Amino acid sequence: KAGVTQTPRYLIKTRGQQVTLSCSPISGHRSVSWYQQTPGQGLQFLFEYFSETQRNKGNFPGRFSGRQFSNSRSEMNVSTLELGDSALYLCASSLVVAGQETQYFGPGTRLLVL
Amino acid sequence: GQQLNQSPQSMFIQEGEDVSMNCTSSSIFNTWLWYKQDPGEGPVLLIALYKAGELTSNGRLTAQFGITRKDSFLNISASIPSDVGIYFCAGRGGTSYGKLTFGQGTILTVHP
Repeated sequence: KAGVTQTPRYLIKTRGQQVTLSCSPISGHRSVSWYQQTPGQGLQFLFEYFSETQRNKGNFPGRFSGRQFSNSRSEMNVSTLELGDSALYLCASSLVVAGQETQYFGPGTRLLVL
Repeated sequence: GQQLNQSPQSMFIQEGEDVSMNCTSSSIFNTWLWYKQDPGEGPVLLIALYKAGELTSNGRLTAQFGITRKDSFLNISASIPSDVGIYFCAGRGGTSYGKLTFGQGTILTVHP
């Protein structure tokens, strides 16, 4: 099975712009979660989608948004970019089996905001 | 909110030595996961734990879910140079859909 894929892998934007990142989960996985990783804050949860619905959300401002499509692919959008948004954005997909959920991560999108 | 304390922050060891790292939480978790991350890549799942007291192995790696459900440890036996990387613990509590709380990571360096 193919793993979680994320596009693009690298992105450079300037302050004030917006950006859209894409994630394709492992085939059969219906849950997609997004994380932000920075040297200072580590890995922080952004939000989770299941069957096109956001089920959980972390403590990020409204500039961070996401959506999920009927094929489980997900996108996240960051509007009005700030320098502090520079980070590795990770997507994870998961499958719940017998009440046990395990998350598998993609390679990430490295975003640099200038 | 939930916090995870992972220790040690870094380790410098000789090839062949055993390694131990652990995580403690201020809250109870239902799932503990251990990941390894190489530079520029996403975390790769090493071991998943779902029950208090559970002890699971994956090759030279062994991890345990603490009885109190507030801690977990990871052991690596007979380390080799390719074990170099950052190791993260992550926990999930209750019905927290998709949300993992991560430790700060342990940077492992193995000298040949």
